[in-house]
Amino acid sequence: DSGVTQTPKHLITATGQRVTLRCSPRSGDLSVYWYQQSLDQGLQFLIQYYNGEERAKGNILERFSAQQFPDLHSELNLSSLELGDSALYFCASSGGEGTTNEKLFFGSGTQLSVL
Amino acid sequence: SQQGEEDPQALSIQEGENATMNCSYKTSINNLQWYRQNSGRGLVHLILIRSNEREKHSGRLRVTLDTSKKSSSLLITASRAADTASYFCAGSNTGKLIFGQGTTLQVKP
Repeated sequence: DSGVTQTPKHLITATGQRVTLRCSPRSGDLSVYWYQQSLDQGLQFLIQYYNGEERAKGNILERFSAQQFPDLHSELNLSSLELGDSALYFCASSGGEGTTNEKLFFGSGTQLSVL
Repeated sequence: SQQGEEDPQALSIQEGENATMNCSYKTSINNLQWYRQNSGRGLVHLILIRSNEREKHSGRLRVTLDTSKKSSSLLITASRAADTASYFCAGSNTGKLIFGQGTTLQVKP
């Protein structure tokens, strides 16, 4: 158990819909990272938050947004969903800002299926 | 875009044999990390090697880093069936940890 909690574990929805994925980092960790894993694209970095502020951005679509709340949990919002958004979405956390030599602790992921 | 590219994409060996996976990356890094993923589950950190290190050991794992060639290798010695998983290298730079496509390792009992 990594200590990172993601909910829900599975999500099935339809094209055009909007969903919210939730992540609770390990106790004491200030950074939260979101990754998308699909067969064709591999593991893609989406975005990082540190202590409530956006710190790094990757290949995140404009239809996607995220935030980190004062209690450090994070939410990833996916809107106007398309079939291609079907993927496994991971949240990870680390203790610092991510600029030093830190390892990430991953949650078990949310499997999103867009039908 | 991927930071790392693993080679081979898939590897099948017998229990007890050594498994070697290679990783090449594109840009400069602060460190290179290896992670393991069991089918459909979250990634687990295995080992981190800093850009000023050349070799690091952890149990049955040995990682090398050649910054001049922008490459790293992961050696798993005396493999076990439980080592069956996907292995990813990831380069860290300015807060982003960018993963390669991974090597799928199958260890046959």
